[in-house]
Amino acid sequence: GEQVEQLPSSLIVQEGASVLINCSYTDSASVYFPWYKQEPGKRLQFIIDIRSNMERKQNQRLTLLFDKKTKHLSLHITATQPGDSAIYFCSASNRYGGSGNKLIFGTGTLLSVKP
Amino acid sequence: GPKVLQIPSHQIIDMGQMVTLNCDPVSNHLYFYWYKQILGQQMEFLVNFYNGKVMEKSKLFKDQFSVERPDGSYFTLKIQPTALEDSAVYFCASSARDWGQDTQYFGPGTRLLVL
Repeated sequence: GEQVEQLPSSLIVQEGASVLINCSYTDSASVYFPWYKQEPGKRLQFIIDIRSNMERKQNQRLTLLFDKKTKHLSLHITATQPGDSAIYFCSASNRYGGSGNKLIFGTGTLLSVKP
Repeated sequence: GPKVLQIPSHQIIDMGQMVTLNCDPVSNHLYFYWYKQILGQQMEFLVNFYNGKVMEKSKLFKDQFSVERPDGSYFTLKIQPTALEDSAVYFCASSARDWGQDTQYFGPGTRLLVL
C-alpha cells in the first residue's frame, strides 16, 4: 500500500531561521496532499494542502512545493517562531480532495524553534 | 478553524470489555473518519462514514469494531470486545462535501488504555 516518508525526523533551529521538511510517497495515484501540525497535547491542525495539478502553493510563511515526477513534496517555513514548534505531518490521498478519502500519514517531523 | 470534539479524552478499561468513543463533528460536515495512532507510530486510517454507511475501512478495522451516527448525534466508534492491542489514541475527523471545502478537521483524540 501507499507509504509516506518524511525527513528529517526532527530538527532544532534558532528563531528566525528557515526550515525545509521533505516528504516522499510511493503511490503514483496520490493526487491530494494536506499537511498538518500538532503542538504538544493538542489536536492536528490543518496548515496547507496541494493538489497534483499544482507545483507550488504559498500561505504566508509556508511554501509547499510538489514534484509529481519524483513523488516528492517540500514544506518550506520562513522566519520561524517558537510558536512553530510542533510535529509536522505530510499526508496523501488518492482522491482529488479531502472528503470521503482516507489520508495516509507520514512519519512526522518534530520541529523545535529556540528563542 | 472548525472544532471537532471527542469524549472522553482518556479511557482505561479491562481487556474484553466494551468501549464507545464519541465524536462531535463540525456541525455542517457530512463525512466522518476514525484514525488510530499507537504511541510512537504513524497515524493510520481506520474507517470513513457517509450518509449512514461505512464507505471504506482498513485492515485495522477489525470485526470487533463498529461505527454509527444515530439521528445526527455523536459519531461513535465501538470496540467489543477490546484487546490489548487496541490501546492507542483514536482521532476522529470530519469534512464537508463541497470540493475545495473538504479539509479534514481533527478532534483532540481519545487515549484508550486496555489493561
